[in-house]
Amino acid sequence: GQNIDQPTEMTATEGAIVQINCTYQTSGFNGLFWYQQHAGEAPTFLSYNVLDGLEEKGRFSSFLSRSKGYSYLLLKELQMKDSASYLCAVRLRGSQGNLIFGKGTKLSVKP
Amino acid sequence: NAGVMQNPRHLVRRRGQEARLRCSPMKGHSHVYWYRQLPEEGLKFMVYLQKENIIDESGMPKERFSAEFPKEGPSILRIQQVVRGDSAAYFCASSPSRGGELFFGEGSRLTVL
Repeated sequence: GQNIDQPTEMTATEGAIVQINCTYQTSGFNGLFWYQQHAGEAPTFLSYNVLDGLEEKGRFSSFLSRSKGYSYLLLKELQMKDSASYLCAVRLRGSQGNLIFGKGTKLSVKP
Repeated sequence: NAGVMQNPRHLVRRRGQEARLRCSPMKGHSHVYWYRQLPEEGLKFMVYLQKENIIDESGMPKERFSAEFPKEGPSILRIQQVVRGDSAAYFCASSPSRGGELFFGEGSRLTVL
């Protein structure tokens, strides 16, 4: 079976840095995605990793280690608007493009 | 360029009725995916369609659920004889190509009384 694990909830302070981890055990791998989802809204794309290493995009960075089945999303200079759920998703090799999602990490940013 | 449009945003049905959820993909996108999200659960893949074809329906229940993406018009997810367990948010995503980035709509929230 396919399994994607991430913490259920996290809390951090405005202006700080937070790291959201994701581990996966899947039959094949063809890329890992991070999405942000505010309550009641659509998931929006944040980042994509298919090779090992760090991808940086503004305040957000994502890291992948395929040998460890591990990724993290790093959010810097946290803002109140970053309070949302962060979804880790894996695309399987040979899949038709659909993604397998973890349950999401609900991040609360406090002043 | 309008995003993925889903309607209705909220739908209430009684047990045994039918629910129809519509999804208009982004302009230029011919690949549509439907996902279901239960409370406190992750998004679960249901079905992947291209124009007039179902490519992968491995995540869709065998009974009561069907999906289509006609040559003209939106993609439709149909749930017949709804039960309380069908209450969920149903998200549609579109992509310009197979394996491309998925762009999600804001979802249709179905409540079955």
